[in-house]
Amino acid sequence: AQSVTQPDIHITVSEGASLELRCNYSYGATPYLFWYVQSPGQGLQLLLKYFSGDTLVQGIKGFEAEFKRSQSSFNLRKPSVHWSDAAEYFCALKILSGNTPLVFGKGTRLSVIA
Amino acid sequence: GAGVSQSPSNKVTEKGKDVELRCDPISGHTALYWYRQRLGQGLEFLIYFQGNSAPDKSGLPSDRFSAERTGESVSTLTIQRTQQEDSAVYLCASSPLADHTDTQYFGPGTRLTVL
Repeated sequence: AQSVTQPDIHITVSEGASLELRCNYSYGATPYLFWYVQSPGQGLQLLLKYFSGDTLVQGIKGFEAEFKRSQSSFNLRKPSVHWSDAAEYFCALKILSGNTPLVFGKGTRLSVIA
Repeated sequence: GAGVSQSPSNKVTEKGKDVELRCDPISGHTALYWYRQRLGQGLEFLIYFQGNSAPDKSGLPSDRFSAERTGESVSTLTIQRTQQEDSAVYLCASSPLADHTDTQYFGPGTRLTVL
């Protein structure tokens, strides 16, 4: 069965520092990949998604992610973190066959310090 | 336009009681999903509706859980005889057409606490 692993439960970065959140997936083919952000008391907001083509995907709020097939990874990056980026980040995949729900990782909580 | 809405935002109930959670999807979205998010966990798929097709119930954890949806409108998730392990945030999402490329839009969730 397909799965998503986010190895880091909690990350703390300084405001203005760069950020990379890791995501690895397990699936026999190339899935569709997503990053969502969940702020306290809010629903999930889509940051970006990868379906095909260019492996570097640009999203909202200055985020980007790179799909690496050889490493089964889809890491999220941001060059300079803002305090408002503090939130929970979820990586998810959707498999290609049929109409299927998203499979989520357990999330990475990002804290931003001054 | 309006996003996905869910009600109530918070629900506290006693063990053994039934609860009903509501989801209003984005107008025109044919697909609707329910997920559960337990503390410190990712989202777990519960059930999925696509138009008038039979729902995919493969994620429902027990027969105490059920959901209904009339056409492409409101959905209700019912949990009977609630247990403490049912405490979680229940999230609803809708998408315009449930193929591989369509984004799911999430509501703010209902936080359920079973005492």
